[in-house]
Amino acid sequence: AQKITQTQPGMFVQEKEAVTLDCTYDTSDQSYGLFWYKQPSSGEMIFLIYQGSYDEQNATEGRYSLNFQKARKSANLVISASQLGDSAMYFCAMRERNTGNQFYFGTGTSLTVIP
Amino acid sequence: DTAVSQTPKYLVTQMGNDKSIKCEQNLGHDTMYWYKQDSKKFLKIMFSYNNKELIINETVPNRFSPKSPDKAHLNLHINSLELGDSAVYFCASSLRTSGTTIAKNIQYFGAGTRLSVL
Repeated sequence: AQKITQTQPGMFVQEKEAVTLDCTYDTSDQSYGLFWYKQPSSGEMIFLIYQGSYDEQNATEGRYSLNFQKARKSANLVISASQLGDSAMYFCAMRERNTGNQFYFGTGTSLTVIP
Repeated sequence: DTAVSQTPKYLVTQMGNDKSIKCEQNLGHDTMYWYKQDSKKFLKIMFSYNNKELIINETVPNRFSPKSPDKAHLNLHINSLELGDSAVYFCASSLRTSGTTIAKNIQYFGAGTRLSVL
């Protein structure tokens, strides 16, 4: 089974609107971390936000927030007030305590912000 | 200061050649990784080293050989390059998880090496 599933290959959003990128995960570990990365067309992988499985509050970093629903095993990324520079690939990733150093990545979602 | 640096950024070579990609991190991390990103943007883990010890070795042709002289460096050598090796190769680093819970040990990536095999 896939550890990380991103079901939206491509998404479009109007500038200044909010957008949610979906991510579901599969683990039997009680302790794990969830990460989102952005990959613009220039190619680098940029860390955006982190959520620990024991964190009670949803993580926020500026315009990024993580909608963490533990029972549903989902960790959706919400980008508020989209900007043209948000156009990029977005990857969801997970790290489990039991498998230690392995990071599991989803297949990514391509976000296009429309002016 | 670049945290994870890999060289070269671009590599264009003929089939059958041998090439190396170098990676260095100055974050004080103890774990380093190599990933391959194909044309569909799928990220595939290849190798991981912790303190110079190989800890992840995915199904990768044995033409690919990683080498970690110390915990700040992880190089990738590729023998007898094939057309299918064309991809972007990313180096990354993080701290190893320890204890009973996951720490916020973020994985940081280098800028990538775009390998084109002709």
